[in-house]
Amino acid sequence: QVHLVQSGAEVKKPGASVKVSCKASGYTFTTYYIHWVRQAPGQGLEWMGRINPTGGSTTYVQKFQGRVTMTMDTSTSTVYMDLSSLRSEDTAVYYCARDGVSEFFQHWGQGTLVTVSS
Amino acid sequence: DIVMTQSPDSLAVSLGERATINCRSSQTVLYNSNNKNYLAWYQQRPGQPPKLLIYWTSTRESGVPDRFSGSGSGTDFTLTISSLQAEDVAVYYCQQYYSSPWTFGQGTKVEI
Repeated sequence: QVHLVQSGAEVKKPGASVKVSCKASGYTFTTYYIHWVRQAPGQGLEWMGRINPTGGSTTYVQKFQGRVTMTMDTSTSTVYMDLSSLRSEDTAVYYCARDGVSEFFQHWGQGTLVTVSS
Repeated sequence: DIVMTQSPDSLAVSLGERATINCRSSQTVLYNSNNKNYLAWYQQRPGQPPKLLIYWTSTRESGVPDRFSGSGSGTDFTLTISSLQAEDVAVYYCQQYYSSPWTFGQGTKVEI
């Protein structure tokens, strides 16, 4: 059974960085991309980018280029999403998601609330 | 970027009645070489992560009740709940995975 377990909620000040983790289990880690999707309070879903666990190549949405970094640790089947220069508009629930036979999101983590507030 | 637009933004349906949600893409999501529409639907209940319901426009994910069905092609798509149950109260999102960046509709809230 596929599980994606994310790290806990974070409160950060504007200008700081946050690193959210996503530990995968129940499948061969290197077989599927891991994506990050965020959801601001009361808002819709926004895709941020993805990492290919085979080799670690990344694709980021242009909006987040220069502020987001996705990395992985294959020894623990964990993916990390680092977002820097935080502003209040980054307050959101951040989800990791594993794709399926194509780039729809078949399995989701439980979400991590990141609150940016002075 | 492909813009996904859902309608309506919300709808109220009686238990046992049909709910229909529409999704329109700003450009085609039909890949001619394999005749597949790169369109998925998700359900998000309050306080929970989204759940995949349908992919390739009409393929139900394992375990999804058959009262959920998807249809459409090109730029116009529909999610139908044939007989609404109490547990179907949620926000529903369409998503295109034809062209990066992958994009979602704004969501449709379904209430009883």
